[in-house]
Amino acid sequence: GAGVSQTPSNKVTEKGKYVELRCDPISGHTALYWYRQSLGQGPEFLIYFQGTGAADDSGLPNDRFFAVRPEGSVSTLKIQRTERGDSAVYLCASSLGTDRTAFFGQGTRLTVV
Amino acid sequence: EDQVTQSPEALRLQEGESSSLNCSYTVSGLRGLFWYRQDPGKGPEFLFTLYSAGEEKEKERLKATLTKKESFLHITAPKPEDSATYLCAVLSGATNKLIFGTGTLLAVQP
Repeated sequence: GAGVSQTPSNKVTEKGKYVELRCDPISGHTALYWYRQSLGQGPEFLIYFQGTGAADDSGLPNDRFFAVRPEGSVSTLKIQRTERGDSAVYLCASSLGTDRTAFFGQGTRLTVV
Repeated sequence: EDQVTQSPEALRLQEGESSSLNCSYTVSGLRGLFWYRQDPGKGPEFLFTLYSAGEEKEKERLKATLTKKESFLHITAPKPEDSATYLCAVLSGATNKLIFGTGTLLAVQP
């Protein structure tokens, strides 16, 4: 596609439920990033992939968070046992390489009630 | 520790009133400094990449500059449509992470 696509754009879930957030990067981009952004804050790094492997997952807050990119293209961020504190906008970005400009999607606004 | 600090947190300008936004950084091995614009409810939109001290980039009313410690985003004769949050980020050579500041919320009044 022309840009990074994220689905859904909005997700409301109940505390304790499992959610999956999808990111479809720009075609040909090998690096893929997930960020989380709270209101009034800059994006906070979660994890990045180079190809299919998670090159750095040090930003994932705890083991309820997990991300995959099985074929080196689409990525899914998975959150188990959601908590109200997980409410935020989850941003995905992709780039041609880790030293190249990252382009962002529109984000998924997650609300845990 | 890699860190990015942006100032001011918020800035209100009259249309046509030029100003500058600041981004101060400490990073292990700067591989690039990036400026993004973010509108409410949208993802960050790429503006500029700067790689070395002394480099400058321009786009319409915006000009970004870089020194060894900070970057400035100069806005010349702004218009109301320039109102947005401007984010600065650095790419760390040590960690390969893009580290963001908290942004400057710019409001340009007609």
